[in-house]
Amino acid sequence: NAGVMQNPRHLVRRRGQEARLRCSPMKGHSHVYWYRQLPEEGLKFMVYLQKENIIDESGMPKERFSAEFPKEGPSILRIQQVVRGDSAAYFCASSSNQFTGGSDEQYFGPGTRLTVT
Amino acid sequence: DQQVKQNSPSLSVQEGRISILNCDYTNSMFDYFLWYKKYPAEGPTFLISISSIKDKNEDGRFTVFLNKSAKHLSLHIVPSQPGDSAVYFCAASGDQAGTALIFGKGTTLSVSS
Repeated sequence: NAGVMQNPRHLVRRRGQEARLRCSPMKGHSHVYWYRQLPEEGLKFMVYLQKENIIDESGMPKERFSAEFPKEGPSILRIQQVVRGDSAAYFCASSSNQFTGGSDEQYFGPGTRLTVT
Repeated sequence: DQQVKQNSPSLSVQEGRISILNCDYTNSMFDYFLWYKKYPAEGPTFLISISSIKDKNEDGRFTVFLNKSAKHLSLHIVPSQPGDSAVYFCAASGDQAGTALIFGKGTTLSVSS
């Protein structure tokens, strides 16, 4: 199965610790998006990356959050000094960006459920 | 300010009948619309999409209708099956590849047998 992979699926952190979430895009996809879903809410865009470049980070909180997509390896969403409000499901999506006059579909991974205690 | 709204949090339908899920948007710059289906503890799964140059797109039991003047789209599922029970998200984006999706809050569909 060459779908979007995310790990870990569940992550528990104490307040003040760091959380690292990993995402491997679908084979052939070079574009990665991170979304966050709070309870009873829809998914909210955080950041869009291509290999070694952040293209759009308009949805990222200004502090404590960072993302990267290195030349080799998965994309990583890093949350420093986590707080209880960071508890959410974090989804990664990938696309091929084969623009043909309409948007290309984004395919989602299973998500990482972060719980901050 | 929500740019994509799904005003019905839930919908219950009997097996074999039609399910109609609605979505409204406020941003006239949106050019592409998608529906995703989500089961608990899983990621959203792409269902069907429509470009703003069309008013209908059909794929098997799923049909999406777009009314640009009303800034409204709907997803029709016919016939509905128990396996369709899930949360359905409407999403919108601009016309450039690589733009973020703006999601509604979702509608929970329950199909009873």
